[in-house]
Amino acid sequence: DTAVSQTPKYLVTQMGNDKSIKCEQNLGHDTMYWYKQDSKKFLKIMFSYNNKELIINETVPNRFSPKSPDKAHLNLHINSLELGDSAVYFCASSQGQGSYEQYFGPGTRLTVT
Amino acid sequence: SQKIEQNSEALNIQEGKTATLTCNYTNYSPAYLQWYRQDPGRGPVFLLLIRENEKEKRKERLKVTFDTTLKQSLFHITASQPADSATYLCARPDGSGNTGKLIFGQGTTLQVKP
Repeated sequence: DTAVSQTPKYLVTQMGNDKSIKCEQNLGHDTMYWYKQDSKKFLKIMFSYNNKELIINETVPNRFSPKSPDKAHLNLHINSLELGDSAVYFCASSQGQGSYEQYFGPGTRLTVT
Repeated sequence: SQKIEQNSEALNIQEGKTATLTCNYTNYSPAYLQWYRQDPGRGPVFLLLIRENEKEKRKERLKVTFDTTLKQSLFHITASQPADSATYLCARPDGSGNTGKLIFGQGTTLQVKP
């Protein structure tokens, strides 16, 4: 009974390529997030959607584009990958915005060579 | 800007002892703080939320405090076990907290030795 799932778990690709990471939650939550965890383990929010509406859009390069086809899915597309994009990307969801606890996916380790 | 600071050095304790982890925040007190556990290669898992008007919150062997004067939250694990070994993350909401945006600390790695 996976709550928040992400695919793929590992992604190795070359600089300049375009790649996507998919996320799905079966918790019936309204809000979904994308986080980036760098090599120093800092977890930083990138985007959030509430009922398919973009709520949080942090200062990330516009090479990163989230898409939410429905409230159970939030995908992340990255264009023209760079070495600095190498990190672990986590998807998360919560019942709503505000003080709700967040449920995280298992992460996608992206390595750009 | 709001910041969350956790001791980046690993905390090593003996099984059965109480582990105490510290989370310090800057600027104004947040409406709440959240604590998460992260195991290697896995996503964070929510543990506890404590609100600004709550001094203390407990859940089984876990206890969290919120001191708005010291701008600090303490996270305690009593009767620690090797299975408690993990990285513990503290998080505060950004701004009013209405968007769900969380600012995470770097985390403190706890190692419980048998």
